Amino acid sequence: QVQLVESGGGVVQPGKSLRLSCAASGFTFSRYAMHWVRQAPGKGLEWVASISYAGRDKDYAESVKGRFTISRDNSKNILYLQMDSLTVEDTAVYHCANEEIYSSYYYVFDNWGRGTLVTVSS
Amino acid sequence: DIQMTQSPSSLSASVGDTITITCRASQNIRSYLNWYQLKPGTAPKVLIFAASTLHSGGPSRFSGTGSGTDFTLTITDLQPDDFATYYCQQRYSDPRTFGQGTRVE
Repeated sequence: QVQLVESGGGVVQPGKSLRLSCAASGFTFSRYAMHWVRQAPGKGLEWVASISYAGRDKDYAESVKGRFTISRDNSKNILYLQMDSLTVEDTAVYHCANEEIYSSYYYVFDNWGRGTLVTVSS
Repeated sequence: DIQMTQSPSSLSASVGDTITITCRASQNIRSYLNWYQLKPGTAPKVLIFAASTLHSGGPSRFSGTGSGTDFTLTITDLQPDDFATYYCQQRYSDPRTFGQGTRVE
């Protein structure tokens, strides 16, 4: 079955960097666009970044643009999120998700991982 | 960005109840609306996509209606496994945005 397992979270000081990974299995990873979605403590879900199936097209939320970089290694079935210049507002559980397209129009975060917690604190 | 507003933010219910959660978009999003279920420490799950289509494997007690700006998620015969937080999400335009969530307790 589909599995997405995030790793790389932890406690980091403001201004530092962290790289998250998402290991995918159970589906043809190279055929799917992938996303990062985060949930800050006590807050709702926020889409963070997306990458096309081949890795050519990338998009970011305004809140992370210029600081975060999404990438993927289709030979290893791994999605990454490089997070630089972290601030306390980046504290959240970060989930990866694949995107399915139904009936050619309906884009859905189809499968998610449990997430990895990033805490930015001095 | 399209703003998604859910109500209520939380509700108290009992097993066997029927509950309805509403989601309103700040502009017309046609039927590009998905519903997700979140439980602490577990992977979120998609329940409904395209406003009213039950995702494969989703229990039939979940149903969605609406188009344009107003949408609802209904859970009939609430089960213990359904106590969770529910989010609507639009995919009409980027960036994808979520409602603030409705906690069912």
